[in-house]
Amino acid sequence: DGGITQSPKYLFRKEGQNVTLSCEQNLNHDAMYWYRQDPGQGLRLIYYSQIVNDFQKGDIAEGYSVSREKKESFPLTVTSAQKNPTAFYLCASSRNLDWLGNQPQHFGDGTRLSIL
Amino acid sequence: SQQGEEDPQALSIQEGENATMNCSYKTSINNLQWYRQNSGRGLVHLILIRSNEREKHSGRLRVTLDTSKKSSSLLITASRAADTASYFCATESARNQFYFGTGTSLTVIP
Repeated sequence: DGGITQSPKYLFRKEGQNVTLSCEQNLNHDAMYWYRQDPGQGLRLIYYSQIVNDFQKGDIAEGYSVSREKKESFPLTVTSAQKNPTAFYLCASSRNLDWLGNQPQHFGDGTRLSIL
Repeated sequence: SQQGEEDPQALSIQEGENATMNCSYKTSINNLQWYRQNSGRGLVHLILIRSNEREKHSGRLRVTLDTSKKSSSLLITASRAADTASYFCATESARNQFYFGTGTSLTVIP
């Protein structure tokens, strides 16, 4: 079955450490996204990519980095510059816009990141 | 921010009752989407309504859109315990960029 796989499900980061969250999709979608979700808040966009080797910052990109070397993969690195990384991270993908507008997003089951 | 706002923040109903939640947004949109999130899981797309549509149905779901008021509502009829989840509206700001609201937490009591 096609879908999006995020790993690991739980991740712990030590002070000063960079960690990388994995996101893989086999839906043949062009666009991929990373969101952060904090308790009581909605999803906030970190980065998004519409095609391979191209990505744009979202609303809260500071302290994060991404790469899009393959269509199927969009890993997110949480760097030591992100001082409050504890959150639930969600990856999503979609087809690019059709002439009527956005396509629905398909989500992975998230990675919960905590600080040790 | 174009982020949508859902209302109410939390809703508790008995099984079999209808649940209505609302979404307001700030700028013009091409479409509005509703998603569902079970605790600790990713979001699941429920329904998309385009700006030139006023109402859309999918099974027990009914969505309305009033672009003049910049608002949408999601009605779940004959609710079930399995409908317990958080529900989010999402709007498009620019090409392939979504903004999600803060969500309505729905509890359906058996």
